[in-house]
Amino acid sequence: GAVVSQHPSRVICKSGTSVKIECRSLDFQATTMFWYRQFPKQSLMLMATSNEGSKATYEQGVEKDKFLINHASLTLSTLTVTSAHPEDSSFYICSAPRLAPRETQYFGPGTRLLVL
Amino acid sequence: SQQGEEDPQALSIQEGENATMNCSYKTSINNLQWYRQNSGRGLVHLILIRSNEREKHSGRLRVTLDTSKKSSSLLITASRAADTASYFCATVGTGANSKLTFGKGITLSVRP
Repeated sequence: GAVVSQHPSRVICKSGTSVKIECRSLDFQATTMFWYRQFPKQSLMLMATSNEGSKATYEQGVEKDKFLINHASLTLSTLTVTSAHPEDSSFYICSAPRLAPRETQYFGPGTRLLVL
Repeated sequence: SQQGEEDPQALSIQEGENATMNCSYKTSINNLQWYRQNSGRGLVHLILIRSNEREKHSGRLRVTLDTSKKSSSLLITASRAADTASYFCATVGTGANSKLTFGKGITLSVRP
């Protein structure tokens, strides 16, 4: 069964509004979570690393004021796309590493964002 | 920046045939992982192979790693229509805070 959930699964919003996406680890704690962005038929591009209790680490070229990340607890990270524009339309996926029983990343099902 | 480069970019085979997908990377790695993604869905971890391993099996999956050539291959034996998906290799570097870096992916179509 799924061990990382995302909500919502899809969202349509108007330009200029903000959208919050939640990522939850369901049966394990994650001090670190990762946020990716994926355009159609392309690979996943890491946007930022969400750190519980401290600031997120953003990849080069990702605007931290545009994509606000809050790691509120050991099981929840949120990504807020502020003042969304049509070019922000994409598939956003989070992941959380689970070291036991084996070292692996568990990915959420993704959130499809469409900005009109 | 993307690390892995998969080859081919698209593969179409008949059910029952084997599918071989290749991945090359550029820098030293701690491990290499293969993931599967069904259309519009999240990723599913398939298998992880460490830099000191050369081959690994999991069910119908066989992964090889050649660190001298900086390449890996994923073999799916006796393919099924349900194997139709995109497959990505991803590497974790040797640095302390290395993250997963994904390749562009391979689209596999298995015809019934």
